[in-house]
Amino acid sequence: EVQLVQSGAEVKKPGESLKISCKGSGYSFTSYWIGWVRQMPGKGLEWMGIIYPGDSDTRYSPSFQGQVTISADKSISTAYLQWSSLKASDTAMYYCARHQAVAGTRLDYWGQGTLVTVSS
Amino acid sequence: EIVLTQSPGTLSLSPGERATLSCRASQSVSSSYLAWYQQKPGQAPRLLIYGASSRATGIPDRFSGSGSGTDFTLTISRLEPEDFAVYYCQQYGSSLMYTFGQGTKLEIK
Repeated sequence: EVQLVQSGAEVKKPGESLKISCKGSGYSFTSYWIGWVRQMPGKGLEWMGIIYPGDSDTRYSPSFQGQVTISADKSISTAYLQWSSLKASDTAMYYCARHQAVAGTRLDYWGQGTLVTVSS
Repeated sequence: EIVLTQSPGTLSLSPGERATLSCRASQSVSSSYLAWYQQKPGQAPRLLIYGASSRATGIPDRFSGSGSGTDFTLTISRLEPEDFAVYYCQQYGSSLMYTFGQGTKLEIK
């Protein structure tokens, strides 16, 4: 069974750093791109970027380029999303999702989400 | 950048009724790159439809997708209580970029 399991909720102060994780299982982790999606409170879905764990090739949405860093450790089947200096506006739910390109592109499996709260 | 506009913003219907949700793209989208997701409160989005009209694994056949070019539709033939949720369309573009519509909230009338 394909699963993406994300790390738990975080409460941070502005200016702090943070790294959240997404662990894949039940499939070949290095063979599928993993994307990250932001959902601010009461709002819609926003595409942040994507990584190919096989070689760490990474692409960012222009809106998030320079604001976050996406990485992966294929040895433990885990992708990461990190911030070096959080802002209150980073408060949101963050989802990882697997990119599937066979017979049509889509995000076919999603993590349960990680809630990040940034408040002084 | 392709913009997806979903309508209506909110749709109020009763169980047993038919729901028709629209997704319009600012320029032509390949059907292979158009998908629909359902999101219930407190849950992650769930893939419903991909390739504009193919149901994802485990999705009931009351859900169907259609359309091409710039106009796509998600239809729920007979609403069940568990279908009341927010629905998003999504298109896939170049450089592994995804774009989502702003969502349609399907609420119980």
